[in-house]
Amino acid sequence: SQQGEEDPQALSIQEGENATMNCSYKTSINNLQWYRQNSGRGLVHLILIRSNEREKHSGRLRVTLDTSKKSSSLLITASRAADTASYFCATDAMDSSYKLIFGSGTRLLVRP
Amino acid sequence: SAVISQKPSRDICQRGTSLTIQCQVDSQVTMMFWYRQQPGQSLTLIATANQGSEATYESGFVIDKFPISRPNLTFSTLTVSNMSPEDSSIYLCSVVAGGGEQFFGPGTRLTVL
Repeated sequence: SQQGEEDPQALSIQEGENATMNCSYKTSINNLQWYRQNSGRGLVHLILIRSNEREKHSGRLRVTLDTSKKSSSLLITASRAADTASYFCATDAMDSSYKLIFGSGTRLLVRP
Repeated sequence: SAVISQKPSRDICQRGTSLTIQCQVDSQVTMMFWYRQQPGQSLTLIATANQGSEATYESGFVIDKFPISRPNLTFSTLTVSNMSPEDSSIYLCSVVAGGGEQFFGPGTRLTVL
C-alpha cells in the first residue's frame, strides 16, 4: 500500500496539554498537508509544508518536516476540547500531479 | 480558499441502484478530484476529474462503477453505480488552490442497504 502511516493511532490528553502526531511516508514529495476531520465530516485544511521547508507555524500549530527520514510531525500546543478530532497527513508526491496519499490518521481526544 | 459544496450531504440507498453526487466550486479550478473514505478508514483517491475529457481513474476504480463528469471548471459529478453495501462510504470532492493547497468539500455520506 502507498498509504502513509501515522502514530499514534489514538491519543488522549488533558485540556491545556500539548499533542504531537507523527506521519511517515514512502516517496519523494512536493509538499505535505495536514487536515482535521470532526466526526466523519469534511476535511479542514490546517497547513501545507513544502519539501524545502523544515518547520512551519500557524497559530497553535507547529509542523516539522524531515525529508531525509520521510517524516513529519504536527504539534498542537495548549490543546482545547474543541481540538478533539481525527488528524490526517497527506503527501503530494513529486510526479503525482497533486494526487494526495493520506496517512492512516490519529484520533485525538482532549478531555476537559 | 475555494468554497466547495456537495449535494446530497447524505443518502440511504437500496443495493442495485445508482446515486449521483454533485460538487460545485465558487471559482474556476483546474484540478478537481474525487476521494472515498470507507468507515473508520483514511481517504483514497478515486479519480481525477478532467474538464472536457474522460476522468483518470486510480488502480482499483473503473469508469463503469464510478462514472465522472466535468462539464466546466466549477462543477463535477460522481455517480456510484449498481451499489452494494461495500460502497457505503463518505465521498469527497477536492480542488487545488494556486499555492498547492488542496481543499475538500463537506462530503456525501452514503449508506447502502
